[in-house]
Amino acid sequence: DGGITQSPKYLFRKEGQNVTLSCEQNLNHDAMYWYRQDPGQGLRLIYYSQIVNDFQKGDIAEGYSVSREKKESFPLTVTSAQKNPTAFYLCASSPQTGRTSQPQHFGDGTRLSIL
Amino acid sequence: GDSVTQMEGPVTLSEEAFLTINCTYTATGYPSLFWYVQYPGEGLQLLLKATKADDKGSNKGFEATYRKETTSFHLEKGSVQVSDSAVYFCALSGPGGSYIPTFGRGTSLIVHP
Repeated sequence: DGGITQSPKYLFRKEGQNVTLSCEQNLNHDAMYWYRQDPGQGLRLIYYSQIVNDFQKGDIAEGYSVSREKKESFPLTVTSAQKNPTAFYLCASSPQTGRTSQPQHFGDGTRLSIL
Repeated sequence: GDSVTQMEGPVTLSEEAFLTINCTYTATGYPSLFWYVQYPGEGLQLLLKATKADDKGSNKGFEATYRKETTSFHLEKGSVQVSDSAVYFCALSGPGGSYIPTFGRGTSLIVHP
């Protein structure tokens, strides 16, 4: 079955540590996205990528970094500069950006907590 | 810019009650409209969509009609079940506006037996 796989499901970060969240998709989608979700809040866009080797900042990119070296992979690094990283992180993908009637597909998320 | 407004939650209902979750939007052009559902501890799943005015999206007993005249896309279900308890998100994306989806804040639904 095609889908999006996020790992790990739970992650703990120590003070001053960078951590990387994995996102892999086998849907052959061009676009990939990272969202942050806080309790009782909607989705906030961190970064998105329309094509390999290109990505754009979303609304809350500070303290995060990404790479897009392969079409199927879009890892997110939460750096030590992100002072409040505790949240639920969701990765999503969608077909080529011109087809805006196509919905996003989401992974099952990674819950990040501070130790 | 584009925006989506959903009714505040939580919405609390008894099993077999009628459900309406309101969603209104502001957008340029003629966006596609979506409802997603998020069960506890999971990602979002597409529930239904509509791509043009007067289209009705439906799935699993849920329905929503794209109303351009009122810029609305209200979610309805005739008889809810306990298993429908989840958070529901209304969203829109292009054309005319950004292809990056704009999401509402989500509405929590709690269904009691």
